[in-house]
Amino acid sequence: GAGVSQSPSNKVTEKGKDVELRCDPISGHTALYWYRQSLGQGLEFLIYFQGNSAPDKSGLPSDRFSAERTGGSVSTLTIQRTQQEDSAVYLCASSFGGINSGNTIYFGEGSWLTVV
Amino acid sequence: GNSVTQMEGPVTLSEEAFLTINCTYTATGYPSLFWYVQYPGEGLQLLLKATKADDKGSNKGFEATYRKETTSFHLEKGSVQVSDSAVYFCALSENSGAGSYQLTFGKGTKLSVIP
Repeated sequence: GAGVSQSPSNKVTEKGKDVELRCDPISGHTALYWYRQSLGQGLEFLIYFQGNSAPDKSGLPSDRFSAERTGGSVSTLTIQRTQQEDSAVYLCASSFGGINSGNTIYFGEGSWLTVV
Repeated sequence: GNSVTQMEGPVTLSEEAFLTINCTYTATGYPSLFWYVQYPGEGLQLLLKATKADDKGSNKGFEATYRKETTSFHLEKGSVQVSDSAVYFCALSENSGAGSYQLTFGKGTKLSVIP
């Protein structure tokens, strides 16, 4: 597609349920990122995938959060046993190579998650 | 660790007013600096960037100069338009080393421009 595509765009879930958020990066982009945007907190880095390398999971806030990237393309962010503090916008981004090589990172429109 | 501090909003300006959004940073190395913009209902977009000291990034009439001596990257525009209403984020990334692919963001500044 033309840009980074995320689904669902909006999700309301009950506390304790699991949710999956999907990201389809720009075709050919080897790097994929997940960020979280919480009200009043700015954007936090969650996880980074680059090609076939082991992902950097250092930003995941707890072991309830996990992510995978199958076939080097689509990524799924899973939140288990959701809590109200997980309510946020989850942003996916991709780039052709790393941004430390001067590549531009492109963001999707985000998945708005509300835990009630 | 790295951090970015930007002026808190919201900022409300009249059309054609001069805009400054302050941004200062703390970094362990020599970062690249960015301004991202988020228009209502849209995803984050790169507005401009600068990769080394004294570089000036510019786009759509916006400018920001990388000031290493003051660790700042203030965003300016001489004459804002209603279409500039958005949330603006200052960000940095390290140019090398572990985690150099990560962007560290400020908390965002909401700009509203009224006719």
